[in-house]
Amino acid sequence: VQLVESGGGVVQPGRSLRLSCAASGFTFSIYGMHWVRQAPGKGLEWVAVMGYDGNNEKYADSVKGRFTISRDSSKNTVYLQMNYLRAGDTAVYYCAREDYYDRSGYNLIDYWGQGALVTVSS
Amino acid sequence: SSELTQDPGVSVALGQTVRITCQGDSLRTYYASWYQQKPGQAPVFVMYGKNNRPSGIPDRFSGSSSGNTASLTITGTQAEDEADYYCSSRDNSGNYVFGSGTKVTVL
Repeated sequence: VQLVESGGGVVQPGRSLRLSCAASGFTFSIYGMHWVRQAPGKGLEWVAVMGYDGNNEKYADSVKGRFTISRDSSKNTVYLQMNYLRAGDTAVYYCAREDYYDRSGYNLIDYWGQGALVTVSS
Repeated sequence: SSELTQDPGVSVALGQTVRITCQGDSLRTYYASWYQQKPGQAPVFVMYGKNNRPSGIPDRFSGSSSGNTASLTITGTQAEDEADYYCSSRDNSGNYVFGSGTKVTVL
């Protein structure tokens, strides 16, 4: 399993940025995908999830209405469109795969990419 | 939204046992999963369910769960176990939540 994020960088407050995550080593079309972020020196914060079929799209309250997750199974890629960016969105953004673990009873995040740094600053 | 509470940090002597706890209402419904993160690296999935290790995770890692509390225990702690540990679960709205993280320092 390999997940490679791209598209990070420095962006001004109020502007937009799109992250991409290229997946390989597994059958992308049958797995849900997440974005999780980590502000500098802080803990992990779940951001969004999209089901394997493009349904079951959910967002953290902190990004709802500003961020959009999407996927293109023909390209084995998941995206995070980030609009109206704020300084508080500055973080490393991780793409992660989920899988169903029956001894847990629900889908869990099991593999993570190395992350892409997004810095929101004027 | 749900919250998961973890102690900020714990110290353990090399070779000894350390337990990391995670508390939250969502844990009454959903088992926790656990992730290890070393500085500058992505998190690694180390525990799920009541006490289940993903492939490749050493058996010195174990888990337990009761009521609103989940625990991750490292028995015979090694120097390479020094890291931040995060619990996670789902909440009743279908969202996911992470704990605040526990820094394990190996003395």
